[in-house]
Amino acid sequence: EAQVTQNPRYLITVTGKKLTVTCSQNMNHEYMSWYRQDPGLGLRQIYYSMNVEVTDKGDVPEGYKVSRKEKRNFPLILESPSPNQTSLYFCASSLTRGSLGGYTFGSGTRLTVV
Amino acid sequence: DAKTTQPTSMDCAEGRAANLPCNHSTISGNEYVYWYRQIHSQGPQYIIHGLKNNETNEMASLIITEDRKSSTLILPHATLRDTAVYYCIVRVPLTGGGNKLTFGTGTQLKVEL
Repeated sequence: EAQVTQNPRYLITVTGKKLTVTCSQNMNHEYMSWYRQDPGLGLRQIYYSMNVEVTDKGDVPEGYKVSRKEKRNFPLILESPSPNQTSLYFCASSLTRGSLGGYTFGSGTRLTVV
Repeated sequence: DAKTTQPTSMDCAEGRAANLPCNHSTISGNEYVYWYRQIHSQGPQYIIHGLKNNETNEMASLIITEDRKSSTLILPHATLRDTAVYYCIVRVPLTGGGNKLTFGTGTQLKVEL
């Protein structure tokens, strides 16, 4: 089944403890992206990647890192999480950077930083 | 970025057509209109997209006005499972390739018996 898989689904962590949220897609998509969703703010893009080793900042990149060493994986790294990064996170992918097809989203990761 | 305006919420009776409006008066000629929906806190689901012609697929129809300043998503026979937040998005092409989808707060559609 074609899908975007995020792990974990739920995570509670403490301030300052580094964490990684993984994202993997099995559709050979070139384009991948991370969003966070907060009440009243909709989905905001954190980082995106147009292909392997090509990443760029979205609208709210502060406090996050990403890497794209392989086409299928696009992990989101929080080096020193803070409570304002408590949010619902989504990974998405699409065939190419200019593809007219819709994005496929993962099921989400609910992160709580205490 | 072209912005979209949608009603905060709408209700629809099951079996009826749900017509969800969207205004995008500042849209540019090469910008597509996309619709997604999000059921509870699941990942958003792609529904349909269009540039200037009306489009139809197995999920919905998209009607875009001739001046492209507004569009309507039509779910022809709404069911309870169509209860979700519906996002109307203008896809903006980026310099150097790629594109950007900016999600607003969408329309909460509630389908009732």
